[in-house]
Amino acid sequence: EIVLTQSPATLSLSPGERATLSCRASQSVSSYLAWYQQKPGQAPRLLIYDASNRATGIPARFSGSGSGTDFTLTISSLEPEDFAVYYCQQRSNWPPLITFGQGTRLEIK
Amino acid sequence: QVTLRESGPALVKPTQTLTLTCTFSGFSLSTSGMCVSWIRQPPGKALEWLALIDWDDDKYYSTSLKTRLTISKDTSKNQVVLTMTNMDPVDTATYYCARIGSSGGSCYSRSVYFDYWGQGTLVTVSS
Repeated sequence: EIVLTQSPATLSLSPGERATLSCRASQSVSSYLAWYQQKPGQAPRLLIYDASNRATGIPARFSGSGSGTDFTLTISSLEPEDFAVYYCQQRSNWPPLITFGQGTRLEIK
Repeated sequence: QVTLRESGPALVKPTQTLTLTCTFSGFSLSTSGMCVSWIRQPPGKALEWLALIDWDDDKYYSTSLKTRLTISKDTSKNQVVLTMTNMDPVDTATYYCARIGSSGGSCYSRSVYFDYWGQGTLVTVSS
């Protein structure tokens, strides 16, 4: 089973700053990684799929990169509404088991 | 538009069986390549994938919970049902259903992600 490790666990930044979140897979997932944003009391929202494709309606300040085992979610200039928890997710080849990372909390400094 | 909504008991006792229903609209689970999943999240903790069911009624389960889970569908009602046996307080969580999207056209392509989610239902396990 593929394990996803996110770092850091908590990231403290100010609005306007750049945020860089990491997700590392225990084995290669090619470019098949997704990112989600979750705010308190809400369901997760898909941000990025296939490592670098923004989902519908996601602002351009969110970008994803990486392949193989190392992936990055970048928020170019933080807006107040971006402070939330972020998860990465992948699906193993076969059987089609799905795993999430443990999350990165992005908090206001 | 696509919507999903979870329903079920808010409180169950230890050792009881939990039954949750996901009622969806805006897509059909009889469409080739379509899948629906269940995911849970204990309070303050990370997301945990539980199970998926596909258009052809194939099912896959989390390795750690497979002995306790059963997923099923009623295509005519646009519903997916999850049962979890032998509930324990550690199973207290918000349970979500979600549709699986894919840029590969099938939930069995390598490109798999959750594009639509229900709002979740909190289940507390306590005597």
